Amino acid sequence: EVQLVQSAAEVKKPGESLKISCKGDGDKYSTYWIGWVRQMPGKGLEWMGVIDLSDSDTRYSPTFQGQVTISADKSTNTAHLQWNSLKASDTAMYYCADGKTGQQMGDHWGQGTLVIVSS
Amino acid sequence: YEVTQPSSVSVSPGQTARITCSGGVLEDKYARWFQQKPGQAPVLVIYRDTERPSGIPERFSGSSSGTTVTLVISGAQVDDEADYYCFCAADNNLGVFGGGTKLTVL
Repeated sequence: EVQLVQSAAEVKKPGESLKISCKGDGDKYSTYWIGWVRQMPGKGLEWMGVIDLSDSDTRYSPTFQGQVTISADKSTNTAHLQWNSLKASDTAMYYCADGKTGQQMGDHWGQGTLVIVSS
Repeated sequence: YEVTQPSSVSVSPGQTARITCSGGVLEDKYARWFQQKPGQAPVLVIYRDTERPSGIPERFSGSSSGTTVTLVISGAQVDDEADYYCFCAADNNLGVFGGGTKLTVL
């Protein structure tokens, strides 16, 4: 059964803004954490940050602090990942993953959202 | 902090594959292992260093010693060819992935 559903692929130009989403299917997600993971083409997984859906407590990897914003809508069990000004180097697949705590990430994963940034 | 994995491991079908992950944080924090096949999202195969989620074959196991955790695939199959990533998070909920290990079963 699908538990995390991510928004569709996006093609954007450098400098544009973007917000992608990850929706948890089920009441359990009201107390879960959602993490975001970047995978650049042909590269490994990079942990970006994590948010507690119940109170929006958020932690960022130092690599991504200030580069993206992670937010949550508790009423819909949805986490968001946002850029204010995209760069070509943001081109990647972005996955969300869930966890009962901020440390226990990855019990389930979304299908991924491909973001392409190109002029 | 960081955790380090070998970039590749190769075994013949039926052999035992061992993939290590090393880092100081692993001495007192649990590790998780994820399998990722081309074009697919990662899948959790081991959590809390040694626990196997339901639906994961018994040939997958994990061990831990000091600052190193190990993913063991006993009797590796061609279908186990994939990238494997270890993951760990500290008390402040900051997480890190290893660089990934490409397992070849050939």
